[in-house]
Amino acid sequence: DGGITQSPKYLFRKEGQNVTLSCEQNLNHDAMYWYRQDPGQGLRLIYYSQIVNDFQKGDIAEGYSVSREKKESFPLTVTSAQKNPTAFYLCASSKGARVYGYTFGSGTRLTVV
Amino acid sequence: DQQVKQNSPSLSVQEGRISILNCDYTNSMFDYFLWYKKYPAEGPTFLISISSIKDKNEDGRFTVFLNKSAKHLSLHIVPSQPGDSAVYFCAASSKNGNEKLTFGTGTRLTIIP
Repeated sequence: DGGITQSPKYLFRKEGQNVTLSCEQNLNHDAMYWYRQDPGQGLRLIYYSQIVNDFQKGDIAEGYSVSREKKESFPLTVTSAQKNPTAFYLCASSKGARVYGYTFGSGTRLTVV
Repeated sequence: DQQVKQNSPSLSVQEGRISILNCDYTNSMFDYFLWYKKYPAEGPTFLISISSIKDKNEDGRFTVFLNKSAKHLSLHIVPSQPGDSAVYFCAASSKNGNEKLTFGTGTRLTIIP
């Protein structure tokens, strides 16, 4: 079955450390997205990529970086520059968001300790 | 600037009754709207969508209504079931939005047995 996989499900990081969240899809979707969920703030877009080797900043890109070297993979690095990294991170992919919407992964809960 | 707003953070409804979730938007360029359902620690799943050329779309127990002049849409669930207890997100996209979805802040629906 095709799907989108995020790993790990839970991640703990010490302050000052970078950490990379994995996102892999086997749906053959061109577009991939990273969102962050915080209580009372809904889903906010961090980065998105519509094609391999290309990506754009979303609304809250500061302190994050991404790469898109393969169609299937869109890892997100949370750097030490991100002031408030503790959140639930969601990866999504789409073959055409306006018609088909997104397919989301199950998320990664990042906690900075 | 929150372009998609869900003003009710929470809603409680008796099992078997109708649940009505509301969503307002400010960007007049939005022309495609989606509803997602999310359980705790899971990714959102697509529920139902509507194009701006329609004012109603129905799928089983779920109906979405769109009032373009008021920039308002609503999701009706009838009859409500315990499994409907979740957070519901409204999302919107525009033709020039690079296939991005803009999400609302979510409404937590609790169905009371």
